[in-house]
Amino acid sequence: EVQLVESGGSVVHPGGSLRLSCAASGFNFYDYTMFWFRQPPGKGLQWVAVITWDGGSSFYPDSLKGRFTVSRDNSRNSLYLQMNGLISDDTAFYYCARAAVSKQWLVPTDYWGQGSRVTVSS
Amino acid sequence: IQMTQSPSSLSAFVGDRVTITCRASPGISNHLAWYQQKSGKLPKLLIYGASTLRSGVPSRFSGSGSGTDFSLTISSLQPEDVATYFCQNYNSAPFTFGQGTRLEIK
Repeated sequence: EVQLVESGGSVVHPGGSLRLSCAASGFNFYDYTMFWFRQPPGKGLQWVAVITWDGGSSFYPDSLKGRFTVSRDNSRNSLYLQMNGLISDDTAFYYCARAAVSKQWLVPTDYWGQGSRVTVSS
Repeated sequence: IQMTQSPSSLSAFVGDRVTITCRASPGISNHLAWYQQKSGKLPKLLIYGASTLRSGVPSRFSGSGSGTDFSLTISSLQPEDVATYFCQNYNSAPFTFGQGTRLEIK
């Protein structure tokens, strides 16, 4: 059974940093592109980052470039999101998700984690 | 890439045919997915490739379109379909979602 479990969310002051983790199990993690998405309270879904199965490429929306960094450790079946210079607009539930097709990245996502809450507040 | 979804909310009777539309600018071929998110739950992939139903999704759901204009149709609305529906571009980054359509039962 595919499982994705996020951790690391908390309350952080503006300007602070946070690192989210996503532990994967039930599939060959090293074969799949992974995504981060977020959902601010009561709002829609936003794409945050993507990293290819081998970690060779990663992409971000222009609005997050330079502040957020996605990485992965295939030996630990783990995905990470380093968030720096956090602002109130970053307050959201953060989800990791798996690409629906192995060794491809321009595909939809088929499994999502339960989410990790990040609150940026003074 | 801009994804414009309409309507933002929709109320219909059980058994009604319901259609939600999504417009992409620029065009995204057929690289569009539809997700269903029930209140307090995770998004669930319903349709990919604009019209391919994911395994296990009821056949009352269908998708169509290509290029810039897409639609999600529920042929006979059921109470368990109450949810917010999102379209998503996966043709190229940024992998933008539509604003969402909140579907309710009258």
